[in-house]
Amino acid sequence: SQQGEEDPQALSIQEGENATMNCSYKTSINNLQWYRQNSGRGLVHLILIRSNEREKHSGRLRVTLDTSKKSSSLLITASRAADTASYFCAPLPGGSYIPTFGRGTSLIVHP
Amino acid sequence: SAVISQKPSRDICQRGTSLTIQCQVDSQVTMMFWYRQQPGQSLTLIATANQGSEATYESGFVIDKFPISRPNLTFSTLTVSNMSPEDSSIYLCSVLDTEAFFGQGTRLTVV
Repeated sequence: SQQGEEDPQALSIQEGENATMNCSYKTSINNLQWYRQNSGRGLVHLILIRSNEREKHSGRLRVTLDTSKKSSSLLITASRAADTASYFCAPLPGGSYIPTFGRGTSLIVHP
Repeated sequence: SAVISQKPSRDICQRGTSLTIQCQVDSQVTMMFWYRQQPGQSLTLIATANQGSEATYESGFVIDKFPISRPNLTFSTLTVSNMSPEDSSIYLCSVLDTEAFFGQGTRLTVV
């Protein structure tokens, strides 16, 4: 398994603005997942994008995947104070099933 | 989907003592996973627990320090033994479907 590296480590924005977080990884993958963690609690799955997909939407979330650059981005549009959390990507190579996590991006949305 | 009940949610323990963390899943699962998240760090996989066999530990983690039980397909425990302040972390259990589901975590402080 491999670990994604999220960037930036911290992001502070105002409510209503968009938040973009990036993830880079090293080897080819089957899929990549994004998770959210509120205040040191359990992680919650947000979205999964497969290696043959380039973009996926879920509500205010938009995920892109560029396998040639081995990178993904998570965009949260029209952010809310309740979006304040840490966000982690989990790239899954072929043959692997256990997600591994980087340090995440800590997002703070100011009301 | 899976719902995981993890307890205790937090505890403050004296050094040299042990704490057992429990995870109950609302469905039968083959594998359960235990993670540690040290302050400001990523989640690190401690071990994989299969029912009916010994847990498989990741590099840096040993059974004597983190004994794991998996008596049936819906339940697992992780014990943090002979604790020191360095063991202060959040401990999380997880199961896998197409995505990972997590318990709410146990925030352990060793004094």
